[in-house]
Amino acid sequence: EVQLVQSGAEVKKPGESLKISCKGFGYSFSSYWIAWVRQMPGKGLEWMGIIYPGDSDIRYSPSFQGQVTISADMSISTAYLQWSSLKASDTAMYYCARHIGGVAAPRGWFDPWGQGTLVTVSS
Amino acid sequence: QSALTQPASVSGSPGQSITISCTGTSSDVGNYNLVSWYQQHPGKAPKVMIYEGSQRPSGVSNRFSGSKSGNTASLTISGLQAEDEADYYCCSYAGGSTWVFGGGTKLTVL
Repeated sequence: EVQLVQSGAEVKKPGESLKISCKGFGYSFSSYWIAWVRQMPGKGLEWMGIIYPGDSDIRYSPSFQGQVTISADMSISTAYLQWSSLKASDTAMYYCARHIGGVAAPRGWFDPWGQGTLVTVSS
Repeated sequence: QSALTQPASVSGSPGQSITISCTGTSSDVGNYNLVSWYQQHPGKAPKVMIYEGSQRPSGVSNRFSGSKSGNTASLTISGLQAEDEADYYCCSYAGGSTWVFGGGTKLTVL
């Protein structure tokens, strides 16, 4: 069974750093793009960026460029999303999702999704 | 990139059909036949219901169908069931390996 398993919930203070993870099982992790999606409390989904673990090619949404860093380690089938200095407005659920529909020029859909990692930033 | 426009809520009775619209621009929905739809139950991760505008993944009921006209994509659910009550999000490829989601629609089964 193909699945993405994300790291557990985090509670942080403003200004702290954080790295959350997304580990793939049941498929060739290095051969599929992985996307990150934010969902703020009570709000909709926002596409943040996407990485190809095979060569760490990364594309960011203009809204998130410079705000977060996406990375991956294909040797352990894991993608990461990290912040260097968290803000209260980073409080949200973060999902990773496998991209389906092309490697050289990704333009498809997302399936499956991880279970989500809740990040709470509060002083 | 602005979010795609969806109605905040729709409702229908069991057995009825409903349609959720998703309006974008000529840079996203109108330029590609690459809209996908996701169902999200409370406290759960999203699940793909439609991809490439009208294709259903294996295991998704044929009560779900998708279409597109110009800059607007639509998701239709026929024979509404209680289990269909959820939030639904459209998502379109927007060029340059970027995507944009809709604001989401809450479906209530009366």
